[in-house]
Amino acid sequence: DTEVTQTPKHLVMGMTNKKSLKCEQHMGHRAMYWYKQKAKKPPELMFVYSYEKLSINESVPSRFSPECPNSSLLNLHLHALQPEDSALYLCASSQDLPNSGNTIYFGEGSWLTVV
Amino acid sequence: DAKTTQPTSMDCAEGRAANLPCNHSTISGNEYVYWYRQIHSQGPQYIIHGLKNNETNEMASLIITEDRKSSTLILPHATLRDTAVYYCIVRVSGGYNKLIFGAGTRLAVHP
Repeated sequence: DTEVTQTPKHLVMGMTNKKSLKCEQHMGHRAMYWYKQKAKKPPELMFVYSYEKLSINESVPSRFSPECPNSSLLNLHLHALQPEDSALYLCASSQDLPNSGNTIYFGEGSWLTVV
Repeated sequence: DAKTTQPTSMDCAEGRAANLPCNHSTISGNEYVYWYRQIHSQGPQYIIHGLKNNETNEMASLIITEDRKSSTLILPHATLRDTAVYYCIVRVSGGYNKLIFGAGTRLAVHP
């Protein structure tokens, strides 16, 4: 069972709406990730936070805005999305220690539909 | 991170061992081999990882060749619930290093 919790599980939003996806973990992990997965495709990395600071942005459009308010929480703020942004959004977390083995654990994802 | 090559799909009979191959001929000395699987409509699930030695846990065994250019994930007694896409990924361990997914192998376990 995953210890990464994502809410909501399903979200339908219009192109002018502002919404947020939320992710929480209580494993003491200091690295958190957002991935996007389109149907029948592998997950694609979007953002990485390390110790609550944005470390990697994979050239994601600004209509996606990540936020890490504390070490347990990760948000993805959504604004002015397009229908092609409809996808499964996955949150993940891991330790952020050198040579730690550093397994990344995923949540069950949030299904987003933009109409 | 090194690239991996996996078969697009495989079949396995329930109760038999499922052997999923992965080629990673450009793997670096400090890169681990990780295996994840994704059951339909769920998040990816960690299975196992290794560097040089063979590894075994309650889910699977990982066999890495001596030259580290390929590996095999073994599910010893496949069940219908093992039907999923299996991803072989190589990455440097430590820190917040990226996990980059390839296309994976779609394993179908049939009765």
